[in-house]
Amino acid sequence: AQTVTQSQPEMSVQEAETVTLSCTYDTSESNYYLFWYKQPPSRQMILVIRQEAYKQQNATENRFSVNFQKAAKSFSLKISDSQLGDTAMYFCALRETSGSRLTFGEGTQLTVNP
Amino acid sequence: AAGVIQSPRHLIKEKRETATLKCYPIPRHDTVYWYQQGPGQDPQFLISFYEKMQSDKGSIPDRFSAQQFSDYHSELNMSSLELGDSALYFCAISRKGGGQETQYFGPGTRLLVL
Repeated sequence: AQTVTQSQPEMSVQEAETVTLSCTYDTSESNYYLFWYKQPPSRQMILVIRQEAYKQQNATENRFSVNFQKAAKSFSLKISDSQLGDTAMYFCALRETSGSRLTFGEGTQLTVNP
Repeated sequence: AAGVIQSPRHLIKEKRETATLKCYPIPRHDTVYWYQQGPGQDPQFLISFYEKMQSDKGSIPDRFSAQQFSDYHSELNMSSLELGDSALYFCAISRKGGGQETQYFGPGTRLLVL
């Protein structure tokens, strides 16, 4: 069974600084997809970034980038130049190619302080 | 994703009543997923449909049922409601072909069972 673990329940960062959120996962498959979603106070689930396991290159979306370490089954999210609007709960998620469901981690509540 | 409609957005029911949640995907997105997010929890996969057929089943109680219709909209039917069913229910969509692995979430329906 696939599992996703986020070991940081809460984190905080000063505006304009950089922060890294950690995620580890477990799967028996060799190909899969990893995602980071953010959930602001509105509770909307918003896709931040995705990574295909078969791609060596780390995904980047503007201020958001990932450090994907397949052998270590690690998938961290780096947010550069943090903004107040980045304050949200961040969920790491895994989707195996053999199935369709997303399995989420417990989430990390990120607070960006002015 | 922009345009994914869930209705109603808020719902209050009494114990043992029934509820129907609806999801209207945007065009060309033929796969629908349902997730349940309890207070302070990560989203849990309930069930998914592809081309009107159930494609995967998760931790959906026997009291719940769902279907996808010919216009691709989906309904989650919940009977004999319990206090523990109070949660945020998300519909997510994906598209066959490129990007099928990425799920985009609707705004959610907040269900409160009294």
